Amino acid sequence: GENVEQHPSTLSVQEGDSAVIKCTYSDSASNYFPWYKQELGKRPQLIIDIRSNVGEKKDQRIAVTLNKTAKHFSLHITETQPEDSAVYFCAASTPNAGKSTFGDGTTLTVKP
Amino acid sequence: EADIYQTPRYLVIGTGKKITLECSQTMGHDKMYWYQQDPGMELHLIHYSYGVNSTEKGDLSSESTVSRIRTEHFPLTLESARPSHTSQYLCASSESGGGNTEAFFGQGTRLTVV
Repeated sequence: GENVEQHPSTLSVQEGDSAVIKCTYSDSASNYFPWYKQELGKRPQLIIDIRSNVGEKKDQRIAVTLNKTAKHFSLHITETQPEDSAVYFCAASTPNAGKSTFGDGTTLTVKP
Repeated sequence: EADIYQTPRYLVIGTGKKITLECSQTMGHDKMYWYQQDPGMELHLIHYSYGVNSTEKGDLSSESTVSRIRTEHFPLTLESARPSHTSQYLCASSESGGGNTEAFFGQGTRLTVV
């Protein structure tokens, strides 16, 4: 089955700096890669996703890149703010899999 | 408003009791999932369903069982609760067909077994 590895497990940055979280996946058939943000005590919520026919996607300060050849994808957050502090999960899913495989999460702390 | 609802939000129960965690969604989704998550930690898939009368075990072995008699309802049952079951349980749903899509999560049930 699919295996997703996520790095780093913890990340601390200064407000205004950029943050990058990386994930690798094992199944070359995976075609959908969502990123979820989970604030303390709240439910995970989708912040951005990318499909395998696209190499990059941006939404304001957030971007995701996908390298299908290397089987890795990354989340980029620019101009970080304290409210970006949360746990971020990447995931990958294959067609008709019925489920996504999640990475283990990255705890991002943005220091004011 | 379309959403996914979990009850109870918090539950403290004694060892050996039978419990059912409720999950309902009004989003019209076919796929539903149960995850176990300790605070701030990994999401472990314990059960999922493609639709009515479909249930599958997830990646994490669990002593719980699920049922899917109605599209909108996906309850999880523990026949005999133990302290090792203490955790947060998150229910989620997503659309099916036409490729994979975003999962919507419920608020979670925080279970404590004493």
